[in-house]
Amino acid sequence: AQKITQTQPGMFVQEKEAVTLDCTYDTSDPSYGLFWYKQPSSGEMIFLIYQGSYDQQNATEGRYSLNFQKARKSANLVISASQLGDSAMYFCAMRERGYSSASKIIFGSGTRLSIRP
Amino acid sequence: EAGVVQSPRYKIIEKKQPVAFWCNPISGHNTLYWYRQNLGQGPELLIRYENEEAVDDSQLPKDRFSAERLKGVDSTLKIQPAELGDSAVYLCASSGRDRANYGYTFGSGTRLTVV
Repeated sequence: AQKITQTQPGMFVQEKEAVTLDCTYDTSDPSYGLFWYKQPSSGEMIFLIYQGSYDQQNATEGRYSLNFQKARKSANLVISASQLGDSAMYFCAMRERGYSSASKIIFGSGTRLSIRP
Repeated sequence: EAGVVQSPRYKIIEKKQPVAFWCNPISGHNTLYWYRQNLGQGPELLIRYENEEAVDDSQLPKDRFSAERLKGVDSTLKIQPAELGDSAVYLCASSGRDRANYGYTFGSGTRLTVV
């Protein structure tokens, strides 16, 4: 069965520092996708970055990058030069069966990131 | 283009009362999902629709929860009667062939408080 594990319930980081949020996953499907979402206190789920299991390079989106280590089944999110507005909950998520609109996403338990000025 | 629209944004009700949430997905998205997110946890799937058919409702507490998606577009999630433990954020998401956000777009959610 598919599973997402986030072992850091909360993190505090100084503004402008880089931060790594950990995520490990478990699946027997060779075709899957990994997501990171940001959820501010307002509640909406904001898509940050996506990594496909067959992608050769690590995904990057602006200040966000995904450190994808397939053999270790880890997909850590790296935020460079953190900003106060990065304070939020961050969820790692996975979808099996490749790119299929009919696949459901499962989520980890989240990491609450707090940026100190 | 409008995203996934949910209403109401917030709802406070007394226990044993009924409540309903509404979701309008992105135009053309055939798949619609309802997730429940308890405080401090990740969202969990309640039900998934393919057009108007519920194809995965294994996690939906059917004794008090019901959902429908008429004409394969808008969807309504209902709880009757509500219990204190139903307090949560209810998120709607849709997906389709346009691959926006790599397949998933979430609404802003409905925050339900049962008192």
